[in-house]
Amino acid sequence: ELKVEQNPLFLSMQEGKNYTIYCNYSTTSDRLYWYRQDPGKSLESLFVLLSNGAVKQEGRLMASLDTKARLSTLHITAAVHDLSATYFCAGRYRDDKIIFGKGTRLHILP
Amino acid sequence: DGGITQSPKYLFRKEGQNVTLSCEQNLNHDAMYWYRQDPGQGLRLIYYSQIVNDFQKGDIAEGYSVSREKKESFPLTVTSAQKNPTAFYLCASKETGVSAGELFFGEGSRLTVL
Repeated sequence: ELKVEQNPLFLSMQEGKNYTIYCNYSTTSDRLYWYRQDPGKSLESLFVLLSNGAVKQEGRLMASLDTKARLSTLHITAAVHDLSATYFCAGRYRDDKIIFGKGTRLHILP
Repeated sequence: DGGITQSPKYLFRKEGQNVTLSCEQNLNHDAMYWYRQDPGQGLRLIYYSQIVNDFQKGDIAEGYSVSREKKESFPLTVTSAQKNPTAFYLCASKETGVSAGELFFGEGSRLTVL
């Protein structure tokens, strides 16, 4: 069975700083997803990573995938308050079963 | 506009009652999913369906039931057997196949058991 673990689960950081969220998964997965959730809202897709070495960037967020290490990272560059949210990673298992991590609650202080 | 519609947005239920949450999509997606989210928690998979008239249990299917009679609809029934049903329920859909992309989510249904 696929298990997805994120760390840290909570992160408080200053504006302007860089940080990385880590997503480890336990078995082979051919898709790795990153989502954002604002309080009380639904989930918004950020990235889909398909292959080893894949890197995608959107604004201050960059996601990468290392399938050999079973690790994906979400890197935040020069954080701004608007990026405060909960970030989830998810992996696709067989039969299209998609499993989510517990999420990383990111709080960016002005 | 294409998307996923969940209803109702808020629902209150007395203990012992069954309740059905609606999920409709007009994205022409084959696969549909139900997740449960508890405060401060991640998403846990309840049921999913890759094709009409077929569905699979997720990790927490006990106390829930689903049907997939039409491609665009995937209703979830929370039965009285579900011991702690108060939660935020999210429905999602996606394409299937090698070119499949991400899950698209509805706005969610918040169920409170009184």
